[in-house]
Amino acid sequence: DARVTQTPRHKVTEMGQEVTMRCQPILGHNTVFWYRQTMMQGLELLAYFRNRAPLDDSGMPKDRFSAEMPDATLATLKIQPSEPRDSAVYFCASGLPYSDQPQHFGDGTRLSIL
Amino acid sequence: DQQVKQNSPSLSVQEGRISILNCDYTNSMFDYFLWYKKYPAEGPTFLISISSIKDKNEDGRFTVFLNKSAKHLSLHIVPSQPGDSAVYFCAALWGSGDKLTFGTGTRLAVRP
Repeated sequence: DARVTQTPRHKVTEMGQEVTMRCQPILGHNTVFWYRQTMMQGLELLAYFRNRAPLDDSGMPKDRFSAEMPDATLATLKIQPSEPRDSAVYFCASGLPYSDQPQHFGDGTRLSIL
Repeated sequence: DQQVKQNSPSLSVQEGRISILNCDYTNSMFDYFLWYKKYPAEGPTFLISISSIKDKNEDGRFTVFLNKSAKHLSLHIVPSQPGDSAVYFCAALWGSGDKLTFGTGTRLAVRP
C-alpha cells in the first residue's frame, strides 16, 4: 500500500533553531501539499507544489518559512528561526490534480518549540 | 474567515446507534466535498466524497448527504462502532480541484 512518508515524526528544539521537515510523496503523485494542524484552525494549507513548481504558498509566514521540492521524491519545509507559536503537527499530502482521487496524507511531524 | 465550518467539536454516541456529523460551508463555488477520518498520531485518511451534482453518496455504513441550498452536508454512520472513534474532518474543493479547504474537525466517541 503506497504511503506518504514524513520525517522526523517528532521534533523538539529550542526557539531560534532551524527546523527541517521532509516528505516523500507517493510515487506518481505530482502534487504535494503542506498543512499545519492547530486546535483553533484545524488543517491549514501552508503551500503546495505541482510538478515540483510552487503553486501557492499564501498560507505560509514568508519571513521564516520556506518550502521546496529538490526532486520529485522529496519535499521540504523549513522554519528559520523557529518560534514557540510554530509548535503544531505538520502534515504532508500528495495527490493528482483534476481528479476525484483524494489527497493522501503522511502521519505528520509533531513539532515542539521550547 | 472559516469557509468550512464544523460547529460541533465533539460528539458521543452509543455503539450500534447512528452518528451524524455536520458541516456547513459559505463558498458557493465549492463543488466537491470530502470527509476524512483521523486517528491519534496518524494522518487523515479519506473516507467518502460527494460531488455537488448529487445529494447523496453511500459506502457501506457511511452516507454523505449534501444540501446545496442550505450549504450543508452531513456524514451518517450506521451502525456506529467503537473503531469509528476518531476526529472527522469535512473538506471542500472548487474550480481547479487542487486546494482542499478543511473544517476544524469533530471528535467522535463511540461508547461500547
